[in-house]
Amino acid sequence: GAGVSQSPRYKVAKRGQDVALRCDPISGHVSLFWYQQALGQGPEFLTYFQNEAQLDKSGLPSDRFFAERPEGSVSTLKIQRTQQEDSAVYLCASSLALTRGTDTQYFGPGTRLTVL
Amino acid sequence: SQQGEEDPQALSIQEGENATMNCSYKTSINNLQWYRQNSGRGLVHLILIRSNEREKHSGRLRVTLDTSKKSSSLLITASRAADTASYFCATRAYSGAGSYQLTFGKGTKLSVIP
Repeated sequence: GAGVSQSPRYKVAKRGQDVALRCDPISGHVSLFWYQQALGQGPEFLTYFQNEAQLDKSGLPSDRFFAERPEGSVSTLKIQRTQQEDSAVYLCASSLALTRGTDTQYFGPGTRLTVL
Repeated sequence: SQQGEEDPQALSIQEGENATMNCSYKTSINNLQWYRQNSGRGLVHLILIRSNEREKHSGRLRVTLDTSKKSSSLLITASRAADTASYFCATRAYSGAGSYQLTFGKGTKLSVIP
């Protein structure tokens, strides 16, 4: 079936603008993750949802970052008043469940955000 | 924060040669996974090794895990130009806070020259 999709693929924002990044997980996947990947670095965890419940948001760098998954499927990562340091690739991943700890996370292609 | 460190940061080899990448991590883990990332594309899961396993194979990939040294290695045999990518190790914590997330290293950039 279809993999994880993200939109837009590229986003350019002026400093101070709000942005919204969308993630469509694989159908039926319970778990959804957001990661931030700076240039030349590995992805860093932002937040995790199990269905519609946000169980971990410890990686969100500031209160300008907000994520939601209201119906347990599509998720949106919103960044308010963007700053230059927010420039990165934002990756979304989904997995069937985490009950056994070995479920594979399937990643989307990412949204490359550039803040000018 | 990054959990692991890959070594080397960059590796350039001729097609047909073997490529070895190493990963070190800091805390107790449930499992360790290796991912590949091509330029402009998302992360692709390659292989997972559990904390009670020492070695695992998948096609041309061989992964080892030494929990006493908190290190892992990924061997790609008979490399191909299509293997050119960045390779990341990622750990899943054993339990407690943060056990849901994957914690990635900084990656090794592999170039396979035809």
